Amino acid sequence: DQQVKQNSPSLSVQEGRISILNCDYTNSMFDYFLWYKKYPAEGPTFLISISSIKDKNEDGRFTVFLNKSAKHLSLHIVPSQPGDSAVYFCAAKGNDMRFGAGTRLTVKP
Amino acid sequence: NAGVTQTPKFQVLKTGQSMTLQCAQDMNHEYMSWYRQDPGMGLRLIHYSVGAGITDQGEVPNGYNVSRSTTEDFPLRLLSAAPSQTSVYFCASSLMTSGRAPYEQYFGPGTRLTVT
Repeated sequence: DQQVKQNSPSLSVQEGRISILNCDYTNSMFDYFLWYKKYPAEGPTFLISISSIKDKNEDGRFTVFLNKSAKHLSLHIVPSQPGDSAVYFCAAKGNDMRFGAGTRLTVKP
Repeated sequence: NAGVTQTPKFQVLKTGQSMTLQCAQDMNHEYMSWYRQDPGMGLRLIHYSVGAGITDQGEVPNGYNVSRSTTEDFPLRLLSAAPSQTSVYFCASSLMTSGRAPYEQYFGPGTRLTVT
C-alpha cells in the first residue's frame, strides 16, 4: 500500500511565480517528513525537512508546510527558477522511510 | 569525499542470471539502504542495514540479498534475475539518530538494470 501519495505527476509554472507541490500520507506514526529533488541520471538530493511537532519550516526560497490533522504536507518554492525543474519526492519517516511517486516540476522561462 | 558510489551505472541481464550491484560510502555512515525506482511507484525500500553485520528487509525484499561486512560497503545481490526486477536501483547512506531510522539520506547516482 502506498502510505505516501503525490497525486500530481507533473506541474508547470512560469519563472518567478510560486510552485506548490503537494503530498498526502496515511500513517499517523510518521514523525518526520522530507523533500528530495532529483535531476535526470542523478540520485535524489535532500532539499528540506520538517518534524511532526512543527507546522512550517523555511529555507531560502523553499518552505514546507505540515497539516497533521489533514495528513498533508506541501512544498512552496518562491520565486520559481528554471533550475528548479526536476522531480520532487516527498518522504515520511516512521520505522523506515517511505517515498511518494514524485512530481515533475517544469519552470518555464 | 566521494560520497556514495555505485557500480555499474548500467547493466543488462538475461532472465536467470545473477549479479551484484556494488555500493560504497566514505562518510562513516552507520545506516545504508537500497531502493528501487519504478515509474509511478516512487522509491521503494528493498533492504537496509544499521551497521556492519546487521541487515533487515524493507518493503520489497523478495529476489534480493544483502550483506554488510564493513561500514563502507553494502552490496545488493540478485540471485536469479527476473524481468520484474528491471528498474533503477539507488543506494543511500545516513547517520543514525538515537538508534532510529535515518533522517536525511545521501544517495548514489543509481544503477539502471534491464532484465530481458
